[in-house]
Amino acid sequence: GQNIDQPTEMTATEGAIVQINCTYQTSGFNGLFWYQQHAGEAPTFLSYNVLDGLEEKGRFSSFLSRSKGYSYLLLKELQMKDSASYLCAVLDSNYQLIWGAGTKLIIKP
Amino acid sequence: DGGITQSPKYLFRKEGQNVTLSCEQNLNHDAMYWYRQDPGQGLRLIYYSQIVNDFQKGDIAEGYSVSREKKESFPLTVTSAQKNPTAFYLCASTGTDHTGELFFGEGSRLTVL
Repeated sequence: GQNIDQPTEMTATEGAIVQINCTYQTSGFNGLFWYQQHAGEAPTFLSYNVLDGLEEKGRFSSFLSRSKGYSYLLLKELQMKDSASYLCAVLDSNYQLIWGAGTKLIIKP
Repeated sequence: DGGITQSPKYLFRKEGQNVTLSCEQNLNHDAMYWYRQDPGQGLRLIYYSQIVNDFQKGDIAEGYSVSREKKESFPLTVTSAQKNPTAFYLCASTGTDHTGELFFGEGSRLTVL
């Protein structure tokens, strides 16, 4: 079966750096997405990786290793507004998105 | 501005009633999706449609129905056959370039009383 694993919850301090990991086993691979979702709201797109390596976008970076079935989302200079759930999703061989359960990130002052 | 509009945002239903959630997009996207989200779980696909007048069941289609009579519209009906309908429902759309980035509506929270 297809499976995506992420930690359920993480806690970090304002101004610090946090890395959220995602591992996947899917039928084919056509890219990996990270979405941010604040409580009670819709997910918003953060990043898309299809090739190995690091993609940097402001305070957020996303890394992919296809051979290891592994990705991480790195958040720098954490702000209170970064408190949210972070969803990892993989586009499989049929171009359908397989979703992880999400990682709830709690930022403390 | 282009986007996806879901309505209503909050909906209460008595057991045994059917309810329909609206989803309209003006992004000219071909593909549209309905997801269900429960606390502590990832998004689960209910139905999706890649072109007008065609739609496919997702992983949890039982107790739900959809139609796609227009490109812009993809309403979801939660029928009385859905035994546990209380959830957050998300509609999304994407273009045909297969990068897969989804654009989401604001969501509809359905509560069964």
